Amino acid sequence: DQQVKQNSPSLSVQEGRISILNCDYTNSMFDYFLWYKKYPAEGPTFLISISSIKDKNEDGRFTVFLNKSAKHLSLHIVPSQPGDSAVYFCAAIIGGSNYKLTFGKGTLLTVNP
Amino acid sequence: GAVVSQHPSWVICKSGTSVKIECRSLDFQATTMFWYRQFPKQSLMLMATSNEGSKATYEQGVEKDKFLINHASLTLSTLTVTSAHPEDSSFYICSALRGNTIYFGEGSWLTVV
Repeated sequence: DQQVKQNSPSLSVQEGRISILNCDYTNSMFDYFLWYKKYPAEGPTFLISISSIKDKNEDGRFTVFLNKSAKHLSLHIVPSQPGDSAVYFCAAIIGGSNYKLTFGKGTLLTVNP
Repeated sequence: GAVVSQHPSWVICKSGTSVKIECRSLDFQATTMFWYRQFPKQSLMLMATSNEGSKATYEQGVEKDKFLINHASLTLSTLTVTSAHPEDSSFYICSALRGNTIYFGEGSWLTVV
């Protein structure tokens, strides 16, 4: 049973445009969400996070939106740059003493020059 | 800069031997570290939660006698793959909890020949 789902395995965007990466979850106990970027043969790099008490968090070109009622979050990258090309993982945590991350399968973003 | 460091990045070992991978938290103490494994084109799979000063908590299906985890200090956790077989060849990644965010190491490629 996949509790965190990224239904788009890949996304291709033109440089300068907006990239929107989507993530859905099923477990209503998740209360903290994170986005990671990963290049091949490297560990994931933390990008941005959002607590379930918020609906938006912004950091530079990256904005994460959370819709709790829909159990949906999205990562917006604007403007997209070729260096953003990587696999993006959505992850969720049930807070408190349990900090185990549950990951989606990832979305490969390709930003074309 | 890096928050979590992993070593070695690449290791090749003979079938039947054991290999150790180290995970260090840099500039902070990590009472909880996590070990993941990633197969090609798949998501990260949590193997175990490493707790400083106590036994690791293994996920279902992960052999604790094969994947030995030691978290002897607040900045170091080690994963030892014992009696390695070719099917253990994979990308192993550790992570550490710092505040509300989990930071990942660079990953270690293990090839068993």
